[in-house]
Parts: sequence; C-alpha cells; structure tokens
Amino acid sequence: QKEVEQDPGPLSVPEGAIVSLNCTYSNSAFQYFMWYRQYSRKGPELLMYTYSSGNKEDGRFTAQVDKSSKYISLFIRDSQPSDSATYLCAMSGNTGGFKTIFGAGTRLFVKA
Amino acid sequence: GAVVSQHPSWVICKSGTSVKIECRSLDFQATTMFWYRQFPKQSLMLMATSNEGSKATYEQGVEKDKFLINHASLTLSTLTVTSAHPEDSSFYICSATTGARSTDTQYFGPGTRLTVL
Repeated sequence: QKEVEQDPGPLSVPEGAIVSLNCTYSNSAFQYFMWYRQYSRKGPELLMYTYSSGNKEDGRFTAQVDKSSKYISLFIRDSQPSDSATYLCAMSGNTGGFKTIFGAGTRLFVKA
Repeated sequence: GAVVSQHPSWVICKSGTSVKIECRSLDFQATTMFWYRQFPKQSLMLMATSNEGSKATYEQGVEKDKFLINHASLTLSTLTVTSAHPEDSSFYICSATTGARSTDTQYFGPGTRLTVL
C-alpha cells in the first residue's frame, strides 16, 4: 500500500464548476499537508499548506484535512480554464526526518 | 521572490555519457536543496537531500555513484547523471528551502527533461 493515494484522473469539468480533489494516506504521523499545482513541463508550485485537521481558505481554494479518516481535500470554486493543471497532494511529519511524500497528482481539465 | 532555476531545461544525450543539471536559488540562500525524479503520471520521488558544504543524503535505492550531487554554495546545487542509460530518462526537479526540513516551504525549479538515447 502506498503511503499516499491520489486518483490520477484525468478530471474534466466545465468552467465555473466546483472541483473536489482528494488524497488518502496511511501514516498517522503525518502532520503537515500541502497542495501543489504543476503545469505541464513546469515544476510544482505551492498552493495551500495546512497543519493538522481543519479547513483553510485562500480565495477560490479551500483545503480540508480530516486526520481521523486520513483524508485530505482541495476544493476549487468557480473553476477557470487557467486552473487546468496537475494537482499534487503532499504531506510530511515526524517520520523519516520530516520527508515530504507526494501523491501521484490528479490531472484537471477545465473546459471553457 | 523565491525563484529557483534549473539548467538545462531539457537535454538529449547518448547512452554512456554524463549529464550535469544545475539548480540555483536566484533570490535567496538555500540551506537545503532536494532532488526529485518524476516519471509520467507518477508522483515526485525524492532522490536525495543536499545541504551546503556537506555530503548529500540519498534515499534508499538511489545509487550514489550514479547520481552525483554537489552543493558547493548556498545558491547552487548540481546533479550529475553519470554513464547515463535510457532507463535514466526522466524529468528531474530540484527544490530549495531556507530551512533544514522538508516541512519548510519548498520552492521548486522548472525541471529538466533528460532523454538518453
């Protein structure tokens, strides 16, 4: 079993839709949860960073962490074609020297 | 701010040759740099952690003699793929952080696509 599971998609939605991206994990030691956005042939860029359980909102993006279920989500409201990218979840904690473990990434296409 | 560059952005080489990839933090001093490898539709796989002035720490299964890492300054780390073979073809990405742990915000470079013929 992988430490972090993420559906690679692709996920195709119409412009303006609410997008829900999810990851599950198995290591209860993870404490820091991140979402990165990666455009084609580019390096990832950090979108959201949360510590422990709860919600965090930043503009059209909301990150949600449920440690009891070992489940994290990223919601994108009013999705735009420019949101089309691969979204990677990542997490780390007091395990393996705080090494960051990445999900496989979900490819998202937002159609105009 | 917090820009990381990589050079070259892509490289094609013959089997058996060595390839050097540079990773630079342009506007900050990077205490730690990380080297990742990414296969199509797969996650980033950490290869090694590099701290300025000290030997890199390699992840299990990564050959130290195959992937030479040098972190000579606080703004530059290099990855040399020695005697490259087609199976080394991949997307190599570096990241840099001002902290000492991967939980500190990592700023990623744009990646280098290596194709070995």
